Amino acid sequence: QSVLTQPPSASGAPGQRVSISCSGSSSNIGRNTVNWYRQLPGTAPKLLLSNNDQRPSGVPDRISGSKSGTSASLAISGLQSEDEADYYCAAWDSSLEAVVFGGGTKLTVL
Amino acid sequence: QVQLVESGGGVVQPGTSLRLSCAASGFSFNTYAMHWVRQPPGKGLEWVAFIWSDGLHDYYGDSVKGRFTISRDNSKSIVYLQMNNLRAEDTAVYYCGGDPPQSGWALHIWGQGTTVTVSS
Repeated sequence: QSVLTQPPSASGAPGQRVSISCSGSSSNIGRNTVNWYRQLPGTAPKLLLSNNDQRPSGVPDRISGSKSGTSASLAISGLQSEDEADYYCAAWDSSLEAVVFGGGTKLTVL
Repeated sequence: QVQLVESGGGVVQPGTSLRLSCAASGFSFNTYAMHWVRQPPGKGLEWVAFIWSDGLHDYYGDSVKGRFTISRDNSKSIVYLQMNNLRAEDTAVYYCGGDPPQSGWALHIWGQGTTVTVSS
């Protein structure tokens, strides 16, 4: 059971907008920033967003993030086939003194 | 170019030890906190450990606390993961990750992973 809760799956048609949620608690998301990762099959994860909504160089602006209270979300607009991947949220948990991950969301582009 | 390369994985028996290495290049290694993250076959990501840039503090996930030790050699730009008393549930791909200053524990750089299989 993961400390951060994500839906196991999400889907959308090409061109649509999809959102993935990440729910935590006051000791992790409520107190610290959230990071999002994308993992394509058979490859290492890649950072998509840091500090809730900051895109590293090379990440397109159709990818965005937000945080409110103890929840965060990742939004992908203009969905493309190459967005089909697993997505993970993560945050520092101040009580556990550990990085905690969500269980991951498999995004399918219909 | 910016790169992390893990090595040291393999097939080992339960109760034995293994040391993973992660060699960094192309960035200021001594300013980055470094992490190990693992992924069991067919499952999600699990954070294992991290060490401050100066090596003075380290932190561990509950499932490895007391068995695994993270360390680093800033003169060689290498981070290690010493794994003792290995169990079947430690079977996973192990990734190292680089966490730059002020990034909020975000792993900006990832290695390609090394596979550890614990089996009798």
